[in-house]
Amino acid sequence: GAGVSQTPSNKVTEKGKYVELRCDPISGHTALYWYRQSLGQGPEFLIYFQGTGAADDSGLPNDRFFAVRPEGSVSTLKIQRTERGDSAVYLCASSPQNSGANVLTFGAGSRLTVL
Amino acid sequence: GEDVEQSLFLSVREGDSSVINCTYTDSSSTYLYWYKQEPGAGLQLLTYIFSNMDMKQDQRLTVLLNKKDKHLSLRIADTQTGDSAIYFCAERPNSNYQLIWGAGTKLIIKP
Repeated sequence: GAGVSQTPSNKVTEKGKYVELRCDPISGHTALYWYRQSLGQGPEFLIYFQGTGAADDSGLPNDRFFAVRPEGSVSTLKIQRTERGDSAVYLCASSPQNSGANVLTFGAGSRLTVL
Repeated sequence: GEDVEQSLFLSVREGDSSVINCTYTDSSSTYLYWYKQEPGAGLQLLTYIFSNMDMKQDQRLTVLLNKKDKHLSLRIADTQTGDSAIYFCAERPNSNYQLIWGAGTKLIIKP
C-alpha cells in the first residue's frame, strides 16, 4: 500500500483479555518494527523483523507479548492477559532495508486501552 | 546509558523562528533524526543528519549538530500554525537499528 496501515485504530478491552494488533507495511519493505508510546513519552522499541524472522525481540516487556510476521509482510502483535499498564499507543513502522539512514515510515498507531 | 533529552514545550509567535534543542549521550551515533507528530497521526520524518555533518538545510528547516557537545537542534524558519505538533529527536547508535527517542517537544504557535 501507499503507507503503513494499522488496525484497529482504537481498541478498548478488559483486564485479562487477549488482544491482536495488525500492521500492514509498505509493499516491498523488508524491515518491520513495533514500538510502544505512552502519553508524554517517545516511542519505546519492542521488536524488529527482517523478513519473516524476529531479528530482535529484546524490547518485548514480558512473555505476554508476542509478534509474528509469517509471510514477511503483514505483522500481528499479540498481547495475552492484558493489564492496565499495557495501555498505550502501539506503533508499527517499516523500512526498505536495515542499512544507511534506515528511514522508518510509521503507521498512525493502534491505541489500546485496558480497563 | 543511552538517553535523549528535550524540553517538553516551546512557544513561539507566528512568523518567528523556532529552535528545538536535543541532547544525546551515545557518541557512536551514526544518524540523528527529527520526527514530527500531529494529533491522531503517525510519526513523520522531517529530516535526518549523518554524524559526519554539522549542518543540513532543507527549505525552512535547518539542522545543526555539535558532536563534541552531543547537541542537536532543529530550526524552523517563519513558523506557521501548521507547524504546531510534537517534535521528536532520535539517535541511531552505531551498528544498531534501534532508535533511541526523546520525549518530544510540543511546539505551540501564538498568533
